[in-house]
Amino acid sequence: EPEVTQTPSHQVTQMGQEVILRCVPISNHLYFYWYRQILGQKVEFLVSFYNNEISEKSEIFDDQFSVERPDGSNFTLKIRSTKLEDSAMYFCASSDLLGLAVETQYFGPGTRLLVL
Amino acid sequence: AQKVTQAQTEISVVEKEDVTLDCVYETRDTTYYLFWYKQPPSGELVFLIRRNSFDEQNEISGRYSWNFQKSTSSFNFTITASQVVDSAVYFCALTPAYQGAQKLVFGQGTRLTINP
Repeated sequence: EPEVTQTPSHQVTQMGQEVILRCVPISNHLYFYWYRQILGQKVEFLVSFYNNEISEKSEIFDDQFSVERPDGSNFTLKIRSTKLEDSAMYFCASSDLLGLAVETQYFGPGTRLLVL
Repeated sequence: AQKVTQAQTEISVVEKEDVTLDCVYETRDTTYYLFWYKQPPSGELVFLIRRNSFDEQNEISGRYSWNFQKSTSSFNFTITASQVVDSAVYFCALTPAYQGAQKLVFGQGTRLTINP
């Protein structure tokens, strides 16, 4: 069964460093998303991406964040200069479009980011 | 603005008991989708069900059932004859049913513990 994959599963970085989180969405999906979950809290939307551009972004997704689809399979989230408060689990998700119907978002296993 | 409220932060029951997880939502959209996701201790988000706002029929899948009531803006989830493997955090989520990439708005989650 197709699934979303994410690498790395865990990343530890120093404050101020750049990190790139990688995702491989389900191959025939058209819409891609990043969410984050601070430990013990709810899952929060960061950004959605379609047709090589951002569709929507949240207030959390400031200038320190960027997304890219560098090739036909990968979808990346870059944090330019990490802060302590960026420590969280980051989930990638993808979905398809069936006619005009929004399809279900399927999530990857997450990358746990720890900023020291 | 959209909002999902899961008032039960934690529930603990003994195995084989039935348990209901509550979800109340707010939206101004006339068409929308509601979801339940399961987050086991391993951390991934597992899709359980999607329901569109046009379909108020209850759904049953094995030991799981869902009760959608538009009149009370609720989408509750019942596990019958609970098992230890059902222990997880369960999230209710909402998205508008427009074409294109749409963000999921999650509730705070309910941590369900099934004790042997």
